[in-house]
Amino acid sequence: KNEVEQSPQNLTAQEGEFITINCSYSVGISALHWLQQHPGGGIVSLFMLSSGKKKHGRLIATINIQEKHSSLHITASHPRDSAVYICAVQSGGSQGNLIFGKGTKLSVKP
Amino acid sequence: DSGVTQTPKHLITATGQRVTLRCSPRSGDLSVYWYQQSLDQGLQFLIQYYNGEERAKGNILERFSAQQFPDLHSELNLSSLELGDSALYFCASSVGSAAEAFFGQGTRLTVV
Repeated sequence: KNEVEQSPQNLTAQEGEFITINCSYSVGISALHWLQQHPGGGIVSLFMLSSGKKKHGRLIATINIQEKHSSLHITASHPRDSAVYICAVQSGGSQGNLIFGKGTKLSVKP
Repeated sequence: DSGVTQTPKHLITATGQRVTLRCSPRSGDLSVYWYQQSLDQGLQFLIQYYNGEERAKGNILERFSAQQFPDLHSELNLSSLELGDSALYFCASSVGSAAEAFFGQGTRLTVV
């Protein structure tokens, strides 16, 4: 069993829909990261959180430390949101020593 | 643009060869991280340097090595290359070990 599990693996949505991507982990963590990888391959860090909730534009990330679960929500989805979303957990003090989920491939249709 | 520069963007080489991937971190960032993304393994942490010193090590093969120079740029050396080393190699940098990291665009290595 992977230490970081994401669901769903693939997600197709219509433009404007509310989207939720889930991440569960089995190790103790100091922080959780949500990353976005576009078809060209580049990776962008969306959120780094250790408790509660963060919001940036149409993106919202939440984490429940007790349940070892995080969600990434996208409101009013747009075709430009089409990308792979990757959850990663930081189990030690070093930010870079991350354990990655396998990613959720999101496709938003116009 | 994250401010992290990786060169080259693409690299094609033969098995058994050695290559060097280069990473220039964002101005002021002391930490540099290397990651490998392959089709079968996904993203994996390889190694971290902080201000010239190795700070953390992940799933890095013995055939691979890295260093961070006084000007804070970093190089990842891959030797005795195998077909399975074909992957995207990402570098990221951050101000410190506990700060958010910014990723470069990656170097796509193809071993033929």
